[in-house]
Amino acid sequence: DAGVIQSPRHEVTEMGQEVTLRCKPISGHDYLFWYRQTMMRGLELLIYFNNNVPIDDSGMPEDRFSAKMPNASFSTLKIQPSEPRDSAVYFCATNRGGAEAFFGQGTRLTVV
Amino acid sequence: QKEVEQNSGPLSVPEGAIASLNCTYSDRGSQSFFWYRQYSGKSPELIMFIYSNGDKEDGRFTAQLNKASQYVSLLIRDSQPSDSATYLCAVDNNDMRFGAGTRLTVKP
Repeated sequence: DAGVIQSPRHEVTEMGQEVTLRCKPISGHDYLFWYRQTMMRGLELLIYFNNNVPIDDSGMPEDRFSAKMPNASFSTLKIQPSEPRDSAVYFCATNRGGAEAFFGQGTRLTVV
Repeated sequence: QKEVEQNSGPLSVPEGAIASLNCTYSDRGSQSFFWYRQYSGKSPELIMFIYSNGDKEDGRFTAQLNKASQYVSLLIRDSQPSDSATYLCAVDNNDMRFGAGTRLTVKP
C-alpha cells in the first residue's frame, strides 16, 4: 500500500479564497483523522470519521471549516473563506481502531 | 474537553544520557497509548505503543504506563544526536489525541 496520500503538498492562497485539502486513506483502515499543526497549538484534532461517518467535529475551529468522507477511499477538508490565521500544516491520518495511526505527508497551507 | 499534556521542554541532554519524556491525560476511558517522533518538516512516525500498565521495552526505548495516575512516559537510553526531534504522546479512545510535543536535543 502507498500509505496515506494527501494533496496538495503545498498550497498558497489569498485571504477569502476557498481551499480544499484531500486525503486518500490506507485501504482497510476504518478511522480517518484530520489534524492541524502549528508551533503555538501543536497537533490539534479537528475531526475524525469512523466508517465514513463523522464522529466528533468539536475540534473544527469555525463554521468556515467543513469535512466530508463520501466513501472509504477519499476525504476532504474545506476552508471557506480562508484567513491568514488558518496558515498551518494539515495532516490526515488513518488507522484500524485502537492501533497505530499512519500519517500522510501533510499539506502546508499559507494564506496571504 | 479531553486533554493530553506533555512536559513542555525543550529538553536538552548530552549524548549517551537518558532522556525522560512525560505525558498525562484526562480521559480515563483511554485504551491505547503511543509515542511518536517527528523530525522537522516531516510527519509523525510511531516509536512505541503500550496498552497495559507497566513497562514495555524496545531497544533503547522504554514506555511506562500507569492508568491509575493517568500517566505515560518514554525513556530513551544512550541518547544519540539522531534522537533529536519532537516527541508526541498520543492517547486513543478511538479518537487519537496528541499532546503538544516535547522538543528533544541530544548534544554530541
